[in-house]
Amino acid sequence: GQQVMQIPQYQHVQEGEDFTTYCNSSTTLSNIQWYKQRPGGHPVFLIQLVKSGEVKKQKRLTFQFGEAKKNSSLHITATQTTDVGTYFCAGPESGAGSYQLTFGKGTKLSVIP
Amino acid sequence: DTGVSQNPRHKITKRGQNVTFRCDPISEHNRLYWYRQTLGQGPEFLTYFQNEAQLEKSRLLSDRFSAERPKGSFSTLEIQRTEQGDSAMYLCASSPTGTRRTGELFFGEGSRLTVL
Repeated sequence: GQQVMQIPQYQHVQEGEDFTTYCNSSTTLSNIQWYKQRPGGHPVFLIQLVKSGEVKKQKRLTFQFGEAKKNSSLHITATQTTDVGTYFCAGPESGAGSYQLTFGKGTKLSVIP
Repeated sequence: DTGVSQNPRHKITKRGQNVTFRCDPISEHNRLYWYRQTLGQGPEFLTYFQNEAQLEKSRLLSDRFSAERPKGSFSTLEIQRTEQGDSAMYLCASSPTGTRRTGELFFGEGSRLTVL
């Protein structure tokens, strides 16, 4: 089945440093979504990217969808302690007619104040 | 609160017992999903409902698991003859009908199951 891989698994940064997490799919994706899960919390939707090469920004967060629609990245500029959590990418299952999302294992971000 | 509501939030049970979780989605959402999440992993898809119809189930889903959404509103997930490997967070999510098969998911707080 489809695989969605994320690297790194963990990232520790000093507050103010930048952070990037990368997501790779074994298949071409029609779209990709990103979620954030705070410690002890539930996943919260951040964004959905649809177009090849698409770049979207949300304040300090920049999301990119690769040209081949098989990879994506999330970049956070000048991290803050409020950015702490696990960031997941998720893509639609490649099977025809499927409604499921396949999530990566996530990148757990720690920010040292 | 108009978000996705799940209960119970925590359930501890002995191996072999049956457990049932309930999910109340956002009222205008007709798509409802169950996912399972274990420590250090991303959510794993279990099943999907569109209104009252169960349209998709994970191939990995054991037949001890059953889900219903009888009136197209709340849903229940039952696990029969629980095993220690069933210990996980069970997440419910809902979404409105959209042009894409996979749109933004609104997750509930989850129901954490511990099987002793």
